[in-house]
Amino acid sequence: QVQVVESGGGVVQPGRSLRLSCAASGFRFSGYAMHWVRQAPGKGLEWVATISYDGNNQYYGDSVKGRLIIFRDNSENTVYLQMTSLRVEDTAVYYCAKMGISGYYADVWGNGTTVTVSS
Amino acid sequence: QSVLTQPPSVSAAPGQKVTISCSGTTSNVGNNFVAWYQQVAGTTPKLLFYDNYKRPSGIPDRFSGSKSGTSATLGITGLQTGDEADYYCGAWDSSLSAYVFGTGTRVIVL
Repeated sequence: QVQVVESGGGVVQPGRSLRLSCAASGFRFSGYAMHWVRQAPGKGLEWVATISYDGNNQYYGDSVKGRLIIFRDNSENTVYLQMTSLRVEDTAVYYCAKMGISGYYADVWGNGTTVTVSS
Repeated sequence: QSVLTQPPSVSAAPGQKVTISCSGTTSNVGNNFVAWYQQVAGTTPKLLFYDNYKRPSGIPDRFSGSKSGTSATLGITGLQTGDEADYYCGAWDSSLSAYVFGTGTRVIVL
């Protein structure tokens, strides 16, 4: 069964750091790019970052560039999102998603992990 | 910020048809494939269409996807109460080197 499972969310103060993890199973992880997508309370989907299948290329949304870093460990079938200098506006459910074979779309989504940035 | 524009909501009675538009530019919808996602309240998003019109297995053919120029359209026929959800389009933006989502459309079954 193809699935991705996020973890690592929690409550953190502004300016602090947090690392999210996404464990993949049921598919050849090293062959697929991966996305992080977030959704603030009551808001729409916002793309956060994408990492290529081999980890050599990363892409970021403007709102997180320079503060969030996406990386992966193909030996552990895991993709990470290192979050630094967190802001209140980073509060959201963070979804990990597998990229499709033929394009940038996200075909398998996790259930999400919640990050709350609050003092 | 969302680069792709969708209507905030559409509504129709059960059994009727609705269409949702997704308007972009040549940097995204116009020259890249469009995907559509369904998010029922309180649940995780689900892929409805990829490559403009291709349906993953398990998606009923009451749902249709199409694209023309810089706009894409999602259609739902034979509307059911279970179709009440938020729907998002998405596409890669070649100018931004970013994946962009639409603003989202809520489907309301009257």
